[in-house]
Amino acid sequence: SQQGEEDPQALSIQEGENATMNCSYKTSINNLQWYRQNSGRGLVHLILIRSNEREKHSGRLRVTLDTSKKSSSLLITASRAADTASYFCATDEKGGDDKIIFGKGTRLHILP
Amino acid sequence: DAGVTQSPTHLIKTRGQQVTLRCSPKSGHDTVSWYQQALGQGPQFIFQYYEEEERQRGNFPDRFSGHQFPNYSSELNVNALLLGDSALYLCASSLQFGETQYFGPGTRLLVL
Repeated sequence: SQQGEEDPQALSIQEGENATMNCSYKTSINNLQWYRQNSGRGLVHLILIRSNEREKHSGRLRVTLDTSKKSSSLLITASRAADTASYFCATDEKGGDDKIIFGKGTRLHILP
Repeated sequence: DAGVTQSPTHLIKTRGQQVTLRCSPKSGHDTVSWYQQALGQGPQFIFQYYEEEERQRGNFPDRFSGHQFPNYSSELNVNALLLGDSALYLCASSLQFGETQYFGPGTRLLVL
């Protein structure tokens, strides 16, 4: 079953604009990660944010985590054509049943 | 420093056959996880190996089995293949479960 649900499922924006993707999850977590996948290839790790962190930055990426709402957002600023990809959130559930659960992803398309 | 490698890159099998997929983790990593990704979906956790033992398992039937070798490389075996087993199979390595995972390029399996 899917733990995380990304929203929106698909997003098209103009190059240079900011892109925001959201992820909601169901159970308590140890951490949440965002990954990028280009055209059905392997996933590339973007950011890991722990449950006691609220915000994290990496270059043009900004991730927020709200554990009270069980949600996270990924912001990509000043988007580029190379950002076109699918973005997935993955959660590490807290508790005895440690599993990494991925959402279905947001397909981001950057228009030239 | 070699990243995660997988072989083969593509594979075509027929229903009822058996398949073995291989993964070499990133140098220094001791934990290997396997995922199945159907078209348009997020990766689904199959199982994870650590110290040559299956540490965690997702909701996959016993037809899916694996092995980890002393050099940390791993195999995924699927018996009695079904059409629904057609997917991209991803291997990921990490130092610890739940921490940043590094993914290989995947093996695309087509079952006819």
